[in-house]
Amino acid sequence: DGGITQSPKYLFRKEGQNVTLSCEQNLNHDAMYWYRQDPGQGLRLIYYSQIVNDFQKGDIAEGYSVSREKKESFPLTVTSAQKNPTAFYLCASSDRGTYNSPLHFGNGTRLTVT
Amino acid sequence: QQPVQSPQAVILREGEDAVINCSSSKALYSVHWYRQKHGEAPVFLMILLKGGEQKGHEKISASFNEKKQQSSLYLTASQLSYSGTYFCGPLSGSARQLTFGSGTQLTVLP
Repeated sequence: DGGITQSPKYLFRKEGQNVTLSCEQNLNHDAMYWYRQDPGQGLRLIYYSQIVNDFQKGDIAEGYSVSREKKESFPLTVTSAQKNPTAFYLCASSDRGTYNSPLHFGNGTRLTVT
Repeated sequence: QQPVQSPQAVILREGEDAVINCSSSKALYSVHWYRQKHGEAPVFLMILLKGGEQKGHEKISASFNEKKQQSSLYLTASQLSYSGTYFCGPLSGSARQLTFGSGTQLTVLP
């Protein structure tokens, strides 16, 4: 079955360490996205990519970095510059732009930084 | 700017109806609706496009008032499986990607 795989499901890190969250899709979608979700909050866009080797900052990109070297992969690095990294991170993809194409989400990675 | 959803939370009995509203301060081109159960990924419900076209696959209806920059989700004869947090994601002309509301928590009781 096609879908989006995020790994790991839970991740624990010490403050000051960089950490990379994995996101792989086999839906053959062009666009991929990273969202952050805090308790009781909506989803906030971190980065998105509409094509390989190109990506754009979202609303809260500071302290994060991404790469899109392959169509199916869009890893997110949470750097030590991110002041409050503990959150639930969701990766998504869409076939085309979000005007008329739904987002397909992965099951998320819950990151805890202490 | 984040869209405003109302109500923030609602509790229903099975079989009752509910309406969830989403308002934006910007002109909208389309509105997405998703449902998220606790600890899980959001699941697509519906897209409403400017001009009235709808794309969805659940037994849930919605409206999109372009002039008022609002959308409403209608849940009729609610089932236990409808419980979850509902998010709207309007796409405005000035933004290239969705900005989600803070969600409406819906609880359906037997």
